[in-house]
Amino acid sequence: DAGVTQSPTHLIKTRGQQVTLRCSPKSGHDTVSWYQQALGQGPQFIFQYYEEEERQRGNFPDRFSGHQFPNYSSELNVNALLLGDSALYLCASSLADTRAEAFFGQGTRLTVV
Amino acid sequence: AQSVTQLGSHVSVSEGALVLLRCNYSSSVPPYLFWYVQYPNQGLQLLLKYTSAATLVKGINGFEAEFKKSETSFHLTKPSAHMSDAAEYFCAVSGRYSSASKIIFGSGTRLSIRP
Repeated sequence: DAGVTQSPTHLIKTRGQQVTLRCSPKSGHDTVSWYQQALGQGPQFIFQYYEEEERQRGNFPDRFSGHQFPNYSSELNVNALLLGDSALYLCASSLADTRAEAFFGQGTRLTVV
Repeated sequence: AQSVTQLGSHVSVSEGALVLLRCNYSSSVPPYLFWYVQYPNQGLQLLLKYTSAATLVKGINGFEAEFKKSETSFHLTKPSAHMSDAAEYFCAVSGRYSSASKIIFGSGTRLSIRP
């Protein structure tokens, strides 16, 4: 079992550009959540996808959007990048409505210059 | 609304000494509570979770935590620290009754181990 896999592991973008991050959930999981972890802080919830729809959203601007595919994998898109978007982006997968634990990927380190 | 507060952004203990990381929570519904560990440049690993079965929860690597409703606390302990325990630790809470169980994290406590 490969667990939760994220790609790429590191990324450098210029302010104003757009970026797409990818996540493949753990086998058997159908729900994907995305978190932003700024340096020295705890992860902050961005949004959650289930059945290809956004089910819940945190306090992030519309520049942050996502998608879930029929195979449950997910993408996080960020438009008009700001320096403050530099962070570790974590993907977590889980099985909906079971209360089983969520599993986290290793994250994508995004640096905006 | 839910939140967690971790007391102390940095804790340093000697190898072999007791580890105590403090966490207080706030929740309007019965919560699920978690402790996660994060090693440098890695993702989050679940240490243990409280889901109302037992107030004393045992986790991996010798860690345990006790849920105290009267004190709204969920402190993490380990009797004897090991050098490999050096990492960032996050206390977290999620709702039990929400169909979309987002996890809310504290700001983290960095644990250092002195030889």
